[in-house]
Amino acid sequence: NAGVTQTPKFQVLKTGQSMTLQCAQDMNHNSMYWYRQDPGMGLRLIYYSASEGTTDKGEVPNGYNVSRLNKREFSLRLESAAPSQTSVYFCASRRTGFNPYNEQFFGPGTRLTVL
Amino acid sequence: GENVEQHPSTLSVQEGDSAVIKCTYSDSASNYFPWYKQELGKRPQLIIDIRSNVGEKKDQRIAVTLNKTAKHFSLHITETQPEDSAVYFCAATPFPQEKGGGNKLTFGTGTQLKVEL
Repeated sequence: NAGVTQTPKFQVLKTGQSMTLQCAQDMNHNSMYWYRQDPGMGLRLIYYSASEGTTDKGEVPNGYNVSRLNKREFSLRLESAAPSQTSVYFCASRRTGFNPYNEQFFGPGTRLTVL
Repeated sequence: GENVEQHPSTLSVQEGDSAVIKCTYSDSASNYFPWYKQELGKRPQLIIDIRSNVGEKKDQRIAVTLNKTAKHFSLHITETQPEDSAVYFCAATPFPQEKGGGNKLTFGTGTQLKVEL
């Protein structure tokens, strides 16, 4: 059971380049999330997917797009990277169901630098 | 939307002392409050949580208290050890859905706890 996995671990981009961050979970979770973590700002929600086939904006969605490819995979795309998107990106997943308080499990993170 | 404030941003204690981290939230509809620990270079991991129908919850050296009237909750770590050194995040959500919901957590800005020998 790998849990939540993310690729790549590190990435350096030039301003204007595009890339896709990949996330997958093998826990049969319904909900998946993308966060960014910046010093002194905690974890801020970019987009989330409550269930397969749905996606919604979080607190800081500008400059990003997402795709819930299937139940396991949730990708985050930067179409035209900007230095302000330099951050550590975390994917997370959560099992919904009758227990509304299920834990969110995080992936190992992707450290992205935009020059 | 929900706003969570967390204090202090840094906390240094001697090994064996207690540490307290405090959070306040703005949305009175919030009813689930988890705490995450993030070691250097690692992913955040849930260490304890509390629900709005409970005032206090304890798990060994860690306890969390909730005051819904004042809209604040706190993490208490007793007998601190060097391995407690990490960043701690509080979070709140007003929408823990039973089915199909997003359970969007709003996080505080984190507290860097350093336990000194």
